[in-house]
Parts: sequence; C-alpha cells; structure tokens
Amino acid sequence: DAGVIQSPRHEVTEMGQEVTLRCKPISGHDYLFWYRQTMMRGLELLIYFNNNVPIDDSGMPEDRFSAKMPNASFSTLKIQPSEPRDSAVYFCASSFDLAGGGYTFGSGTRLTVV
Amino acid sequence: AQSVTQLGSHVSVSEGALVLLRCNYSSSVPPYLFWYVQYPNQGLQLLLKYTTGATLVKGINGFEAEFKKSETSFHLTKPSAHMSDAAEYFCAVIKAQKLVFGTGTRLLVSP
Repeated sequence: DAGVIQSPRHEVTEMGQEVTLRCKPISGHDYLFWYRQTMMRGLELLIYFNNNVPIDDSGMPEDRFSAKMPNASFSTLKIQPSEPRDSAVYFCASSFDLAGGGYTFGSGTRLTVV
Repeated sequence: AQSVTQLGSHVSVSEGALVLLRCNYSSSVPPYLFWYVQYPNQGLQLLLKYTTGATLVKGINGFEAEFKKSETSFHLTKPSAHMSDAAEYFCAVIKAQKLVFGTGTRLLVSP
C-alpha cells in the first residue's frame, strides 16, 4: 500500500484565493482525519469522517473551511477565501478505528498564503 | 485543559546516550496513550501505543515507554541514541474519541 497520499505537497497562494487540499486514504480504513499543524497551536484536529460521513467538525476554525469525502478513496479540504493566518501544514490521516489511535498520516501539504 | 503535557520542547543528547522524553497525562479513566515521531518534512509515524495489558510497551526503532498510573506518566526511552533518531516526538491521548497531541519535543542528537 502506498500509504495516505496528499496533494499538493506545497501550495503558495494569494490572500483571497480558494485553496483545495486533497487526500487519498489507505484502502479499507473507515476513518479519515484532517489535522493542521502550526508553531503556535501545534497539531489540531479539524474534522473527521467515518465511512465518508463527517462526524465531528468542531475543530474547523470558521466557515471559510469546508471538507468533503465523496467516496471512500478521496477527501478534500477547501479554504475559501484564504487568509495569511491559514498558513500551516495540513495533514490527512486514516485509520481502521477511532479509539485505537493507530492513525497513518500523509506527508502533509504546506500551505503558504501571501 | 491539556490532556498530555510534554516536558521540554527540546532535548539534546550525544550519540550513544540514553534518550528520555517525558509525557504526563491528565485523565480520570485509564487512558489510551501513544507516541508518534515526525521526521523533517514528513508526516507523523506511530512509534508505540498503550491500551491495556503490559505497562511496558516496546515500539519501533528500539524505543519503549512505560505506563505508570501512580505517576500519570508515559515517558519514552531508548538506551542508545542514533543520529537518525533526531526528530520531533509527540505524545498523544484519546480524549472524547479523538487523538489529542502534546506540544512535541524536538530531539537533537550530536556526534
């Protein structure tokens, strides 16, 4: 298995533009998670899905952020419009279960909003 | 309230020396505890986890951790550091069915 695949690896965009981050989870994993990592706030869980259904989006910072999982092999995190404070590394992770904690992380997307 | 606390944002050791990274948790119920490692420009990788059973947990790359309920601790150790161990290490706990991470400890290994 190729692991969790995220694209792009790096994204530089201007303030106000729409940004879409993509994730392909490991086949057979029922859970998918989006995390954000910043120096100030560390690793934060934004949202997670179970069997393609969003279960908890309480970590999504504001309405500018949205996430979808149209099928078991693809998820997107969209920011519209983007702001400089959204600059961070965004990680996608997938897992067989929720409480087991053995999540497999992708390599992340480094987003820079200028 | 912080669910896991990692003491020391940076730890420096010499190659061959003992590695000790500290993690304390706050939980009223037996926790599920984890250590993850992040190498530069990469995602997080699971090192080891404690759920139930044996309190001494062995992980990958020669790391191990001991769950001590009396001390509410789950410190990560390795007898002899390698240069390749230089990375950031995160302690994590399951809280409200979510994996919550500590602030991380950067391990620096000098020759």
